[in-house]
This record gives sequence, C-alpha cells and structure tokens, in this order.
Amino acid sequence: ETGVTQTPRHLVMGMTNKKSLKCEQHLGHNAMYWYKQSAKKPLELMFVYSLEERVENNSVPSRFSPECPNSSHLFLHLHTLQPEDSALYLCASSQDPYGTGGTEQYFGPGTRLTVT
Amino acid sequence: QKEVEQNSGPLSVPEGAIASLNCTYSDRVSQSFFWYRQYSGKSPELIMSIYSNGDKEDGRFTAQLNKASQYVSLLIRDSQPSDSATYLCAGDYSGAGSYQLTFGKGTKLSVIP
Repeated sequence: ETGVTQTPRHLVMGMTNKKSLKCEQHLGHNAMYWYKQSAKKPLELMFVYSLEERVENNSVPSRFSPECPNSSHLFLHLHTLQPEDSALYLCASSQDPYGTGGTEQYFGPGTRLTVT
Repeated sequence: QKEVEQNSGPLSVPEGAIASLNCTYSDRVSQSFFWYRQYSGKSPELIMSIYSNGDKEDGRFTAQLNKASQYVSLLIRDSQPSDSATYLCAGDYSGAGSYQLTFGKGTKLSVIP
C-alpha cells in the first residue's frame, strides 16, 4: 500500500447506526486530518492530529468522534448522524506543519457517506 | 477571517490553449499556497506548491504568487482534455498558530477537444 488509504470507500447508514471510518497513511507523516466535502462548499477541516494528539477541532458536532492510536492510523467514529451529514469524508496527512518538512497535505480517496 | 476566493467557473478553453486559474486571499499571514486538482468523484491531488513571490514551473504547470497583491494563479500550458477537473486553491495558515489549510470552492475547468 502506498500513500493514504481509506476504508470503506462507500457507506450507507441509518440515523441510528454506529459506524467507523478508517484512514492509514504510508508516507511517514506525523500529522493527520479529517475533512468534510459537501456539494458546492469548500473543504471543511474537522479534526487535526499531530504526533497522535488532537490539536484542532473546528466546532464539529459530538456525533463525530475521532481517534488516533498512532501516527499512521486515524479513525472517525460516527453515531446518530443526520441526513445533512451525507458528504465525502477525506483523510489527509502531512509532516508536522511546525517542523521542517513542509505543509503539503496528501489526501486519501475518501469515503462517500450517505445517511438515510 | 481567512478566506480564499476562486471563480467557480466553469472555465472552458480549447485543447492546446493556456488555461489561467486565479485565486485571491484575504489575510496577509499565509506564507504558502497549494493547487490541488480534483476529478469528479475523486479526492484532491496536490499538483503545485508555492512558498515565495514569483513563478514556479513544473512541466506544463506554472504557479504564480504575488503576496503584495494577495493573489495566486495557476497556468496550464498546452491544455489537454485530461486536464478537465476542478482546481482547488489552498492557503496555509499554519504559521499563524493553526494547522489549517483554507480552501477555495474551486474552479471547474473544461478543456474542449
């Protein structure tokens, strides 16, 4: 595996379900991100982890719960979602932006989530 | 408020022409800018990064940054139908104590054969 991978690629869930999205990066980076992309809106940053610590949380509803067990893996736990949460969820990784490795972010293929 | 503005398009150019994509930003703090290409139904792919004033060339792509005027542009020479995609401009505000890339809404480019 190379780059950033995400599973599942597609997910349909009911509003009462609990599911998790998984992201894995094979780039040796130490920062990981969750973004939400909805139609006709800019990419929205949800969470940032650097060296496995959450450093940014952009006022995301508590029905989204991130987890970063190590620098290569990132999860997004979902529960009691709403139909308006249907979107493309993207994971990205980068070197620590405060380090010397630059701040280019590399995206995974995304999970297309539909909430019914 | 940090914002990145792009014309949503669509921008249509004939095959072989130069496509010019523009982006303006509202905050002088950003030090770096990135251009991403996103095909329909796919995730963004980084194609260019630029950190200092002036031009940066990579193959058919040239990124231009003018910090005094707060704009960044992407030129695509010899445009091909395979360049048809949405191009996202992003400003890096990490230097301001945040890890955030602020994205524009994207410009949809169509290259007509």
